[in-house]
Amino acid sequence: AQRVTQPEKLLSVFKGAPVELKCNYSYSGSPELFWYVQYSRQRLQLLLRHISRESIKGFTADLNKGETSFHLKKPFAQEEDSAMYYCALSDFGNEKLTFGTGTRLTIIP
Amino acid sequence: GAGVSQSPRYKVAKRGQDVALRCDPISGHVSLFWYQQALGQGPEFLTYFQNEAQLDKSGLPSDRFFAERPEGSVSTLKIQRTQQEDSAVYLCASSSSGTGTSEQFFGPGTRLTVL
Repeated sequence: AQRVTQPEKLLSVFKGAPVELKCNYSYSGSPELFWYVQYSRQRLQLLLRHISRESIKGFTADLNKGETSFHLKKPFAQEEDSAMYYCALSDFGNEKLTFGTGTRLTIIP
Repeated sequence: GAGVSQSPRYKVAKRGQDVALRCDPISGHVSLFWYQQALGQGPEFLTYFQNEAQLDKSGLPSDRFFAERPEGSVSTLKIQRTQQEDSAVYLCASSSSGTGTSEQFFGPGTRLTVL
């Protein structure tokens, strides 16, 4: 069965410091990995996906198949990055998403 | 254009009551998903439609849960004889693709509280 693990429920980082949100997964097939974000009083929205290889709002994430990880990183945190972040995976060709339990990121001014 | 909408936004039900939750996907979106999000947890998959066909209902927790999308647009998630463990936020999402993976757009959710 597929599983996504986000080991940190809460993470506080000072503004301007680097951010890393951890995500590990277990899946035997060919997963597609995503990061979704939910800002205060807003709906869940896609931040980035590994196949796009894009940097969104300064965030990047690299899929490491050897370590089965998809950590989210940003070199310099901004106050507007405070939000709930969910890592998710799906199998290629199957749109069903499996989510982790989420990490609440708080940026300290 | 409007995004995914859900109604009601909040629902309080007494244990044993039936409830119906509605989802209006983005116009033209082929795929529609329902997820259940318990407090402190990530969303968990319930069921998936491609147009009017329910292709996957493996996440429905019991036969008290039933979903339909009769005309391939609006969907309703019905929960019969609600129990306290059904208390959660129910999220609906839609995507434009019927094959492969494309971005899922989420609604605001319906918060169900069963007393």
